[in-house]
Amino acid sequence: KNQVEQSPQSLIILEGKNCTLQCNYTVSPFSNLRWYKQDTGRGPVSLTIMTFSENTKSNGRYTATLDADTKQSSLHITASQLSDSASYICVVSGGGSYIPTFGRGTSLIVHP
Amino acid sequence: DTEVTQTPKHLVMGMTNKKSLKCEQHMGHRAMYWYKQKAKKPPELMFVYSYEKLSINESVPSRFSPECPNSSLLNLHLHALQPEDSALYLCASSQGTDSNQPQHFGDGTRLSIL
Repeated sequence: KNQVEQSPQSLIILEGKNCTLQCNYTVSPFSNLRWYKQDTGRGPVSLTIMTFSENTKSNGRYTATLDADTKQSSLHITASQLSDSASYICVVSGGGSYIPTFGRGTSLIVHP
Repeated sequence: DTEVTQTPKHLVMGMTNKKSLKCEQHMGHRAMYWYKQKAKKPPELMFVYSYEKLSINESVPSRFSPECPNSSLLNLHLHALQPEDSALYLCASSQGTDSNQPQHFGDGTRLSIL
């Protein structure tokens, strides 16, 4: 069964600090992995997308890594801002279907 | 602003009402999706339209009826809903149904059933 597990479930950090969110998946064969940011009451917005051959991809202060061998990905946020407070969802495509598998998300709160 | 537009943003309806949710995109995408999202949970796929034809129905109750009038529009008709149907309903679109095509989401309709 295709599964995507994210940790931690929730995270509270102080403004200006860095943090790393984790995503483990069992989806096989693997096609791509995306990280989405979802603000409260809004739809998910794509941050990064990585395919099998990509190890690292950055989007401003967001850097995603992928280890396709261990089926793990991380999202590193540098110098956090209050606007980073949101849910971060890991989405993996593959597994013989074009319908992606969603993780449950990590809820990040950035305090001043 | 999101490139996928959903209306209304909020909807409150009784269990006997009939209402419709609307979704529009002008990116030339040929695949469109309806998702249901409960609080603190990931989106759950409901329907997929590919080239204006329904290609996936994830065993959704018949009180939800999708419609794709043209390649830019996607509707979700609601009738006789239950309180547990209260959720955020998200529409998404993608270039095609290839798994490498990213999905673009709207901001959703917050639905409350009284």
